[in-house]
This record gives sequence, structure tokens and C-alpha cells, in this order.
Amino acid sequence: QSVLTQPPSASGTPGQRVTISCSGSSSNIGVNTVNWYQQLPGTAPKLLIYSDNQRPSGVPDRFSGSKSGTSASLAISGLQSEDEADYYCAAWDDSLNGYVFGPGTKVTVL
Amino acid sequence: EVQLVQSGAEVKKPGESLRISCKGSGYRFTTDWISWVRQMPGKGLEWMGRIDPSDSYTNYSPSFQGHVTISADKSISTAYLQWNSLKASDTALYYCARHFQPLGASYYYMDVWGKGTTVTVSS
Repeated sequence: QSVLTQPPSASGTPGQRVTISCSGSSSNIGVNTVNWYQQLPGTAPKLLIYSDNQRPSGVPDRFSGSKSGTSASLAISGLQSEDEADYYCAAWDDSLNGYVFGPGTKVTVL
Repeated sequence: EVQLVQSGAEVKKPGESLRISCKGSGYRFTTDWISWVRQMPGKGLEWMGRIDPSDSYTNYSPSFQGHVTISADKSISTAYLQWNSLKASDTALYYCARHFQPLGASYYYMDVWGKGTTVTVSS
């Protein structure tokens, strides 16, 4: 069972805004930054958001991250068909002294 | 270009040993950790552990401690993931990733990933 909690799925029509939540605790999200990874079908994961809300070069500004307390969120605005993927939140956990991933959220574009 | 190149797919029998590799290029290999991540068929990402190539310090997820060994040879910019006795449940896709820390920052993130090595364990 994952230390971080995410909904298993989310969906929207093209152009809509989709939000994915990630819930943790005081030993991970509450004290460390959150990263988000996108995994397109059949490919390696790709860094999407780091340090809670920072986008690496090349990531469209449709993707945004936020954090409050022990929870974080990823928002995709202006949803596009190519956004169909699995999205994972992750953070360092001080109690486990290790990195933890959420179970992943599958985003479907209807 | 910063990249991590992983070794090819492996098919093994239960009880056999295996070592897969991850070679870094395009950056100073000893500057950043290398993490290993498991993805079982149809499942999510699991962090297995990481190594600091500069001194080979490792730490493991409790789920993988004692089951695998992570090592590195900094002279050839390569990290390894090793099993002494494979089980069918080790069948998975294994990724290595650079665990990057920007200069002066207190946070880390996995910014460069290998393409993955598929390990199949079957009798």
C-alpha cells in the first residue's frame, strides 16, 4: 500500500481542466517537496513538475503543481489527447528515509 | 546530452543470479545519485533504492532491502542492480534515474531516466 494516495483515474474532454490530488503525511509531503511524473504508454516516466510547482524546460505551461500542508495537486488545463497517460506524485519520506511514489492516476481524454 | 543507457532485456530462471546496468553520460557521474525504480506488469512505480556514485553509499526501500544490491563503478560511470537468486515475482521493468539536486537547493528530483530493462523470470 502506497504511502501517498492518488485517485486511480481522472478524465475530461479536450480543453477541460483536470486536477489530480496527492495526499501524504507530515513525514513526506508535509516536510519535503513534491515531484510529478508523466508516463505515456510504453515509455519511461518523464519529470513533469519538481519542487511542488516548478516546470522543467520544455513542459507546457498547461501543467501546474501546487501544495498545501500534506497534500499536493497537479492541474492540467486545456486538456489535449496527448495528455493521456499515467501521472505519479512522489516525495522523499523522512521516516522511511526513502523516496515514495503515489499509486498513479490514469488520465483519459474522452 | 545527459543520458542513462540501460542494459538489454534478460530472461532468467528462478534461482539464477543477474546484474543489470545503467551507464551515465553527458554529465559528471559522481555528482548525483542514481535511483532504481521497479514497475511490475500493469502496475505503478516503486522506488527500490539509490546510490551515491561518489562513495557508493546506498539506501534501500524497506520493501527491497536484502533482496537486491545496488552498486556503482564510478570509473566507468555505471550503476548496477543485482539479484543473487531471482524469483518469478522479480519479473518487471526496471528503470534507473538520475536523482538530481540543483546547486544550493535542498530538494531532489529524478530528471533523467533510462529506457528501462525488462527482466523476465520463468522456469
